[in-house]
Amino acid sequence: GENVEQHPSTLSVQEGDSAVIKCTYSDSASNYFPWYKQELGKRPQLIIDIRSNVGEKKDQRIAVTLNKTAKHFSLHITETQPEDSAVYFCAARDTGRRALTFGSGTRLQVQP
Amino acid sequence: SQTIHQWPATLVQPVGSPLSLECTVEGTSNPNLYWYRQAAGRGLQLLFYSVGIGQISSEVPQNLSASRPQDRQFILSSKKLLLSDSGFYLCAWSPTENYGYTFGSGTRLTVV
Repeated sequence: GENVEQHPSTLSVQEGDSAVIKCTYSDSASNYFPWYKQELGKRPQLIIDIRSNVGEKKDQRIAVTLNKTAKHFSLHITETQPEDSAVYFCAARDTGRRALTFGSGTRLQVQP
Repeated sequence: SQTIHQWPATLVQPVGSPLSLECTVEGTSNPNLYWYRQAAGRGLQLLFYSVGIGQISSEVPQNLSASRPQDRQFILSSKKLLLSDSGFYLCAWSPTENYGYTFGSGTRLTVV
């Protein structure tokens, strides 16, 4: 099955700086890679996703890049704000199980 | 628009007692449905997924089970809870396996 590794586990940045979270996946047939944001005690919410036919996607301050050859994808948040503080999860579609496999999460803390 | 309902929000149950968590989706038909569990401060573990009525794929230990008695209803059950069953249970749906999930609000289960 799919294996997704996510780094770093914690990340602290100053407000206004950029934050980058990286994930690698094992299933070369995976073709869908979403990112979720989970605030404390709340449900995860989809913030951006990318498909394997695209190398980069951007939505305002958030962007995701995908390198299929190296089997890794990254989340980039620019001009971070305190409300960006949360746990972020990457995921990859497991073609064998027809479900998403999630990374272990990154706790992002934006210091004002 | 589509909505997902999950209840109860919190539950405290003694070891050995039964469990029933329910999830329903509105505004769509034949959704893919999922149950995930999140231990405190941890990632998301896939428990069950279903691509249609009566079709359940299991990823977990034997003391949990899932059923899909109706197209938009997904139920997680246990006959006898263990301490290790404590966690945050999340139901999710997607239109197909190549789309991101929308999660329910979650059930925080504490087994005492």
